[in-house]
Amino acid sequence: SAVISQKPSRDICQRGTSLTIQCQVDSQVTMMFWYRQQPGQSLTLIATANQGSEATYESGFVIDKFPISRPNLTFSTLTVSNMSPEDSSIYLCSVEDQYNEQFFGPGTRLTVL
Amino acid sequence: DAKTTQPTSMDCAEGRAANLPCNHSTISGNEYVYWYRQIHSQGPQYIIHGLKNNETNEMASLIITEDRKSSTLILPHATLRDTAVYYCIVGGATNKLIFGTGTLLAVQP
Repeated sequence: SAVISQKPSRDICQRGTSLTIQCQVDSQVTMMFWYRQQPGQSLTLIATANQGSEATYESGFVIDKFPISRPNLTFSTLTVSNMSPEDSSIYLCSVEDQYNEQFFGPGTRLTVL
Repeated sequence: DAKTTQPTSMDCAEGRAANLPCNHSTISGNEYVYWYRQIHSQGPQYIIHGLKNNETNEMASLIITEDRKSSTLILPHATLRDTAVYYCIVGGATNKLIFGTGTLLAVQP
């Protein structure tokens, strides 16, 4: 199984600022995904990030708010821009392996004041 | 919207089998059934997935009905550490996962 790390593990930010979350995987993967989990809620897919192409965003999420980079097959970043308290969530990245199994990182817990 | 329906919560006695049901009546022919679980404050953990045959691994068994409209995840000997939210998800190969609300399984001592 893939081993995924995320940085930072948690952060407290002021409204109006931006935070970039990093996701690193220990093997090369084609497909990476970013999810958000609001307090007490299930996971919601933000976007799919494939290396060499623009990220594909789900309904309700836009690139200006959540820009994503995917510079290579082991790394991706998600930026939460112009943050408000409503952005307080856990942000998780995941990767899919060749067996159609998806593995998740530990998450980044974001609190916006 | 999620394509699956699961009970909100279930209890199970420690050491007994936990059987978690899932309805996915609108599943299409090329969609898999995936099961994940999320222990409090952790990222979701992959458990098992299947297309139409029953599957078993070191963690669990997945029983899919012949018409594929429902499935059951079986944890053969539940322990306290199996207390988690269990998500049943339907998706195609190399596809995004749409999470529903899941089943909160509480394993009781």
